[in-house]
Amino acid sequence: KQEVTQIPAALSVPEGENLVLNCSFTDSAIYNLQWFRQDPGKGLTSLLLIQSSQREQTSGRLNASLDKSSGRSTLYIAASQPGDSATYLCAVRLDSGGSNYKLTFGKGTLLTVNP
Amino acid sequence: GAVVSQHPSRVICKSGTSVKIECRSLDFQATTMFWYRQFPKQSLMLMATSNEGSKATYEQGVEKDKFLINHASLTLSTLTVTSAHPEDSSFYICSAGTGWETQYFGPGTRLLVL
Repeated sequence: KQEVTQIPAALSVPEGENLVLNCSFTDSAIYNLQWFRQDPGKGLTSLLLIQSSQREQTSGRLNASLDKSSGRSTLYIAASQPGDSATYLCAVRLDSGGSNYKLTFGKGTLLTVNP
Repeated sequence: GAVVSQHPSRVICKSGTSVKIECRSLDFQATTMFWYRQFPKQSLMLMATSNEGSKATYEQGVEKDKFLINHASLTLSTLTVTSAHPEDSSFYICSAGTGWETQYFGPGTRLLVL
């Protein structure tokens, strides 16, 4: 059974700091990995999607890397801003034929960027 | 584009009553919709997958008679929590897509059962 772990559970940083969020998964046979943002009491916004054959994806100040063999991904946020404050969720899809539509989520990292 | 709405955004009900939550794809036709449940500080857990015009596929441990899912059209899926109890209080999120690979998430519905 795939398990996704995110470390740290919470992170508080001053504005402007660069930071890294970590995600690990137990089954390396993934189809892709996705990072989401969730604001309090809201749905999910997709940030970056990395296919299993890719090593990283970038969007603006965000960079996500994937090391499939070691079961790890990181989300790098450059020059953090108070508006980045949210919960960041990592989710993986298994490459398992008929079940590869399922997303398995981690519990998330609650990020607070202080002005 | 690719907007998914949910209604209601928040609902409070008495124990034993049934609650219906709607999930709509506003600007695209969703052949597949997914229903998730999220308890405080926990992961989103997939409850069921529904395809338009067919029965929903439930995840292990999810009672299909308690959580009724209807995907009657390409833009609407409903989740009915029957005979709700306090332990059903949770945040319910739907997602919709034209296939399984790309999912667009709704804003969620907060259910509180008293």
